[in-house]
Amino acid sequence: ELKVEQNPLFLSMQEGKNYTIYCNYSTTSDRLYWYRQDPGKSLESLFVLLSNGAVKQEGRLMASLDTKARLSTLHITAAVHDLSATYFCAVDMKQEYGNKLVFGAGTILRVKS
Amino acid sequence: DAGVIQSPRHEVTEMGQEVTLRCKPISGHNSLFWYRQTMMRGLELLIYFNNNVPIDDSGMPEDRFSAKMPNASFSTLKIQPSEPRDSAVYFCASSRPGQGQGTEAFFGQGTRLTVV
Repeated sequence: ELKVEQNPLFLSMQEGKNYTIYCNYSTTSDRLYWYRQDPGKSLESLFVLLSNGAVKQEGRLMASLDTKARLSTLHITAAVHDLSATYFCAVDMKQEYGNKLVFGAGTILRVKS
Repeated sequence: DAGVIQSPRHEVTEMGQEVTLRCKPISGHNSLFWYRQTMMRGLELLIYFNNNVPIDDSGMPEDRFSAKMPNASFSTLKIQPSEPRDSAVYFCASSRPGQGQGTEAFFGQGTRLTVV
């Protein structure tokens, strides 16, 4: 059974600081996704990582994937308050007749001014 | 496209009643997922369909839960009878695997279910 672990689960950081969220998974997969969820809202797709070594950047967020280590990182540069949200990683698990997405527990990010 | 559309947005029902949640996926998407989100258990995959066929329902908590996808543009998740522990936000998501973005799923706004 595929397990997806994120850490930390809660992150409180000051504006302007850098930090990294980690996502580890237990079985082979070369496709991973990052989502953002604001309180009371739905999940919004942030990054799609489809191969080993993939790196994507959008504004102050950068995501990478190391399929050999079964690890993805979401790096936050010079955090601002607007980045406060819950961030999820999701791993693509191939099955015989389809693919399912298994989500991590999420990381609650609070950026303090 | 209007995105994934779920209804109702909020549902309050009494224990023992039947509840039906509805989902319209994005046109052209052939995979559909039902997730449940709670504070205690996070985001759980209940069931997913590929080309209207249920592929994996191992996440459905018990026989009180059932899901159908009679055609490519509509799916339902039914709970009967409902219990207070079913209170959660239920999300529907759809994707179009193999189109260059893997299984990137797009989520509906969710249905907040409260069973009293």
